[in-house]
Amino acid sequence: AQTVTQSQPEMSVQEAETVTLSCTYDTSENNYYLFWYKQPPSRQMILVIRQEAYKQQNATENRFSVNFQKAAKSFSLKISDSQLGDTAMYFCAFMKRSDYKLSFGAGTTVTVRA
Amino acid sequence: NAGVTQTPKFQVLKTGQSMTLQCAQDMNHEYMSWYRQDPGMGLRLIHYSVGAGITDQGEVPNGYNVSRSTTEDFPLRLLSAAPSQTSVYFCASSKWTSGSPDTQYFGPGTRLTVL
Repeated sequence: AQTVTQSQPEMSVQEAETVTLSCTYDTSENNYYLFWYKQPPSRQMILVIRQEAYKQQNATENRFSVNFQKAAKSFSLKISDSQLGDTAMYFCAFMKRSDYKLSFGAGTTVTVRA
Repeated sequence: NAGVTQTPKFQVLKTGQSMTLQCAQDMNHEYMSWYRQDPGMGLRLIHYSVGAGITDQGEVPNGYNVSRSTTEDFPLRLLSAAPSQTSVYFCASSKWTSGSPDTQYFGPGTRLTVL
């Protein structure tokens, strides 16, 4: 399995502020996909954003954007204008293009304060 | 569409008991998989299937069996439960298009406690 590292176990942010979650990964593959999943207290795993490694442009989904640095093997998630509903655990995940096996990081718990 | 469904939501077993965690999807997805989530470790792949009659092992397969007799269902069997199998179990599914992974949709999870 590929190694995915999330170095921030917990983060706290004020409502309407911005928070950035870090993720690094280790792979010898050239073709792969990266994902951020959100897991709120309901336990449901929800896809937030995905990035194809062959695309240089960083993916964006509304208030969520990524900073993908392929050479550095870094894939950070920025949450802008944080909302109370963003409170959740966030997982970074890696997938080789040749298969569907997801490798997950340990997660970062994000708490948005009112 | 109900998406991916899992039953039961909660289960308590005694060591040595057997049980089956059910997973079903109504999206006609070829790919299905089982993950377990333990504190501080993220999700880890147990078994997966790319179609009916085809299964393979993931990262942590020991103690678990799977089969895939239909496209819709992918049950996970614990033959002799151990306390180390206490975890939250997630089933996921996605389309299977060679060279182009699609989004994996997750079920709501089953919390299993083995005493």
